[in-house]
Amino acid sequence: QQQVKQSPQSLIVQKGGISIINCAYENTAFDYFPWYQQFPGKGPALLIAIRPDVSEKKEGRFTISFNKSAKQFSLHIMDSQPGDSATYFCAAIRSSGDKLTFGTGTRLAVRP
Amino acid sequence: GAVVSQHPSWVICKSGTSVKIECRSLDFQATTMFWYRQFPKQSLMLMATSNEGSKATYEQGVEKDKFLINHASLTLSTLTVTSAHPEDSSFYICSARGDASYGYTFGSGTRLTVV
Repeated sequence: QQQVKQSPQSLIVQKGGISIINCAYENTAFDYFPWYQQFPGKGPALLIAIRPDVSEKKEGRFTISFNKSAKQFSLHIMDSQPGDSATYFCAAIRSSGDKLTFGTGTRLAVRP
Repeated sequence: GAVVSQHPSWVICKSGTSVKIECRSLDFQATTMFWYRQFPKQSLMLMATSNEGSKATYEQGVEKDKFLINHASLTLSTLTVTSAHPEDSSFYICSARGDASYGYTFGSGTRLTVV
């Protein structure tokens, strides 16, 4: 049973545009929601993360919006650049557990 | 920041042979390490979780006799693919967690090709 649903599967954005990736979760016990960026042939790297006690977190061009009541969270990449082209995974974890539950991933391509 | 070194980055082996992949935490003690498998254009699939000095816990459907995991120290875990076959060809990624509950760091991955 997939516990974190991610959309879209792929996304093409023009340079300078806003990239938006959405995730929804089912398990209300999740209390930490990280986003990972993965380049081809590399392991995932933590991009930004949020806890459910805040509705938004911003780090540079990257922002997470969190809607606890809807059990949804999203990643916004402002002023998208070709170097942002990668696969993005949302994830969720319970503080009492130790396994990350990953979304299915979004392949982002930023056109020059 | 926390760094996890994974070697080799790629390996080609003949069918029937065994391959060992190493995962080292360079600047922190990894109380728990995770091994993932990733197929092209797919998400990461957790294979097993290992705690230092304990037997690994394998996810359902993962053959523990085929994918041997050893976590003998707080900085090193190894995954050995025994009697490899072409269907074992994949991208294998390790992840290490230290004392911080949410501190996961991933290795750079190993591309295994079995011919």
